[in-house]
Amino acid sequence: SQTIHQWPATLVQPVGSPLSLECTVEGTSNPNLYWYRQAAGRGLQLLFYSIGIGQISSEVPQNLSASRPQDRQFILSSKKLLLSDSGFYLCAWSRGSNQPQHFGDGTRLSIL
Amino acid sequence: AQKITQTQPGMFVQEKEAVTLDCTYDTSDQSYGLFWYKQPSSGEMIFLIYQGSYDEQNATEGRYSLNFQKARKSANLVISASQLGDSAMYFCAMSDNSGGGADGLTFGKGTHLIIQP
Repeated sequence: SQTIHQWPATLVQPVGSPLSLECTVEGTSNPNLYWYRQAAGRGLQLLFYSIGIGQISSEVPQNLSASRPQDRQFILSSKKLLLSDSGFYLCAWSRGSNQPQHFGDGTRLSIL
Repeated sequence: AQKITQTQPGMFVQEKEAVTLDCTYDTSDQSYGLFWYKQPSSGEMIFLIYQGSYDEQNATEGRYSLNFQKARKSANLVISASQLGDSAMYFCAMSDNSGGGADGLTFGKGTHLIIQP
């Protein structure tokens, strides 16, 4: 069966510090991968998606970047965090178009 | 652009009653997917049910069913015989074909469902 791992579960970072969140998928190959952010009490907003190694598309202009160095690894990064980067970050995978997306447990990021 | 509307910010329901959570959508695509997710207070997003735009039958998964009315652009979630463990946020979502095949989801703002004993 397929599993998705996301870490860390919680993170507290000062403004201006760098960020690296990692997500890995097991039990499948060539998945579509996604990063979402959820503001408190809101729905999810798509940040990045990837259909293959090194192929990243961004949905919204922002202070963050994403990379896919391996088939089942997706990384969310920032060089300098802003207060507005606080939120709940979720990684997800799917088999393809119009297929259910399966989410990791998320990372709660607080910026001080 | 696609849009999902969930008009019920919160709902209180007695245990064992059936629940209908409303969802309407707007899209110009002919091919799309509709999804429902459950998010407990712990935060994880749990996939519940999927309906393809070309599916003629309403999707069902255990106690969950999706009342798909294409002409009305609605995709309501029905939970039969509600349980205390059903208390959570519920999100309706839609696949977006503008992403060149990756189909990021567009989410509604969610409905907070509370099941009362």
